[in-house]
Amino acid sequence: GQNIDQPTEMTATEGAIVQINCTYQTSGFNGLFWYQQHAGEAPTFLSYNVLDGLEEKGRFSSFLSRSKGYSYLLLKELQMKDSASYLCALYSSASKIIFGSGTRLSIRP
Amino acid sequence: DAEITQSPRHKITETGRQVTLACHQTWNHNNMFWYRQDLGHGLRLIHYSYGVHDTNKGEVSDGYSVSRSNTEDLPLTLESAASSQTSVYFCASSESGQGKNTQYFGPGTRLTVL
Repeated sequence: GQNIDQPTEMTATEGAIVQINCTYQTSGFNGLFWYQQHAGEAPTFLSYNVLDGLEEKGRFSSFLSRSKGYSYLLLKELQMKDSASYLCALYSSASKIIFGSGTRLSIRP
Repeated sequence: DAEITQSPRHKITETGRQVTLACHQTWNHNNMFWYRQDLGHGLRLIHYSYGVHDTNKGEVSDGYSVSRSNTEDLPLTLESAASSQTSVYFCASSESGQGKNTQYFGPGTRLTVL
C-alpha cells in the first residue's frame, strides 16, 4: 500500500521562505508530484521528481530523497497569491497518482 | 487552445436520482480520471480509463460508473444519488508513455445531494 503524510496547515509571512514537508511509504516508487490548489479551483501541476535532489523552478523548488521517503516543496519570496493548498502525490504504477490530503498555506502581510 | 472542461459546474439533485457529470478534453490524451474531493480526504480516485472502451475502478467506485466511447469524453454517472456523494468532482487527463504522466485537471463540479 501507499501512505502520504504532510502537515494540515502552515502559516508564513509575505516575502519570507516556507518549506512544506511530505513523507511517504510505498511499495514501489515511480515519482513524486507537487500540485497547487487555490480555494474553489482545480489542482495545477507544480513539479515532478523522479531522481534524488533539488529541482528549482523560479520561486518554487522541490526536493526528493527516495531512501528516506521524503520530499519538500520550498517557496521563496512569498506572495499573497501563494495562499493555497499544496498537494504531495505519488505516481504509482499504471499512470495513477495517489494524493495526500494537502497542506493549506496561509500568507500574512 | 486545448483544454479540459466539466459540466455542469454546480448541480443540486435529490436522493435516488440518476446524475451524469460530463468531462471533455481536447488534448487527445489517452488517460482520463475521475476524482472526488472532500475535506479531510484529499483527492480520491473513482474511475479511470486508458483509452476508448477501457474503464477501471478506483478506490471509491461504489455507486459510480463511467463509459468511454471516444477519446475526448469520460462521463461519470451516479446511478442512484446518495447524500454521501455530495462532494466536489474533478476530471483529469494525461498522456500515456514514459515520462508523460502529469495529470491536468478540469475546473470541477460541485454536486449537492439533498
